[in-house]
Amino acid sequence: AQKVTQAQTEISVVEKEDVTLDCVYETRDTTYYLFWYKQPPSGELVFLIRRNSFDEQNEISGRYSWNFQKSTSSFNFTITASQVVDSAVYFCALSEDPVQGAQKLVFGQGTRLTINP
Amino acid sequence: EAQVTQNPRYLITVTGKKLTVTCSQNMNHEYMSWYRQDPGLGLRQIYYSMNVEVTDKGDVPEGYKVSRKEKRNFPLILESPSPNQTSLYFCASRTRRDTYNEQFFGPGTRLTVL
Repeated sequence: AQKVTQAQTEISVVEKEDVTLDCVYETRDTTYYLFWYKQPPSGELVFLIRRNSFDEQNEISGRYSWNFQKSTSSFNFTITASQVVDSAVYFCALSEDPVQGAQKLVFGQGTRLTINP
Repeated sequence: EAQVTQNPRYLITVTGKKLTVTCSQNMNHEYMSWYRQDPGLGLRQIYYSMNVEVTDKGDVPEGYKVSRKEKRNFPLILESPSPNQTSLYFCASRTRRDTYNEQFFGPGTRLTVL
């Protein structure tokens, strides 16, 4: 069965600190997809990144970076030089292969990140 | 603009009073889903639809109904709402051509059942 665990329920840091949000997943499939979403206080879900299981390259987008390690089943998200606008709930999600019939995203519990000025 | 819309965005109701949350997408997507978000549980899928007149249960379908009479619409029906259905609800859609299963989410509907 698929499962996503975000063990950090809440994180609070001071602005400009770096912060890493952990995501550990479980799946039996060899083909799967991983996602990160941001949920600001307004409530909508903002797509950040997607990754497939065959692409273990790390990715950097501005202050955001993602570290995908199949050996540890982890897909961690780092914000460098955090800003108050980064305050949000962040969700990691997993999908098995939709070609094989997967019809949903399995979400972690979410990590509430607070950046204090 | 490509989007998924939901109405209403906020709703407070009482136990037992039937309600419908509408969802519409303008991207001609085949797949649509409903999720609910609860603290400490993340988002969980309620129902999904692979195309018109094809629907199936997700992980938490109890107390909900859906229909898919048109490709663009996928309403969520609560025939007799109860307080444990107080939640934040998201509609999502995706195209079957996307092998990533990336889903486009609506803005959410915050439902309170008293």
